[in-house]
Amino acid sequence: DQQVKQNSPSLSVQEGRISILNCDYTNSMFDYFLWYKKYPAEGPTFLISISSIKDKNEDGRFTVFLNKSAKHLSLHIVPSQPGDSAVYFCAASEEGSSNTGKLIFGQGTTLQVKP
Amino acid sequence: DAGITQSPRYKITETGRQVTLMCHQTWSHSYMFWYRQDLGHGLRLIYYSAAADITDKGEVPDGYVVSRSKTENFPLTLESATRSQTSVYFCASRKANYGYTFGSGTRLTVV
Repeated sequence: DQQVKQNSPSLSVQEGRISILNCDYTNSMFDYFLWYKKYPAEGPTFLISISSIKDKNEDGRFTVFLNKSAKHLSLHIVPSQPGDSAVYFCAASEEGSSNTGKLIFGQGTTLQVKP
Repeated sequence: DAGITQSPRYKITETGRQVTLMCHQTWSHSYMFWYRQDLGHGLRLIYYSAAADITDKGEVPDGYVVSRSKTENFPLTLESATRSQTSVYFCASRKANYGYTFGSGTRLTVV
């Protein structure tokens, strides 16, 4: 059973507009969430993270929002740029007493930003 | 150079053959991981290791074997390759309480 789900396989937005990527999770033990970005023929690279004690984390054009009651997080990119075109993976882990160090990933969302 | 490297980058093998994918990291990170990336499934965890000589199964371990005799190396072996194991494989390492760093991947085709 998929514990982390990204239900939108793809998203297309215009340059300068906001991109919103969504992610849902089912495991209530997850307490640390991350977004990774992946270009073709490269490994995923870390983008931004958020701990379950927060509901928002911002880093430049990227903001992650966490709604624990809904088990939902989202990544906002404002403004979107053509270089942001990539596959975005949501990931979650248990960092507390049961920390195994492993991340569980979603299926990924392919973002295309049109000039 | 410091980092995490995977080899080979590309591999074609026949059904039933044994294949080993290599992963090497220079940071002495405790944790190392193997993922496979498939369309519609994202990145799925195959095996992981918390330290040398400590390994554990992930979400999709069947058909794979790992070992970790040294902290810096974490090879993944397909004992008898099947077509369903055609995928892109990513190795990652992690320092405790920090994020992952991924290798560039190995594209494996089983014919």
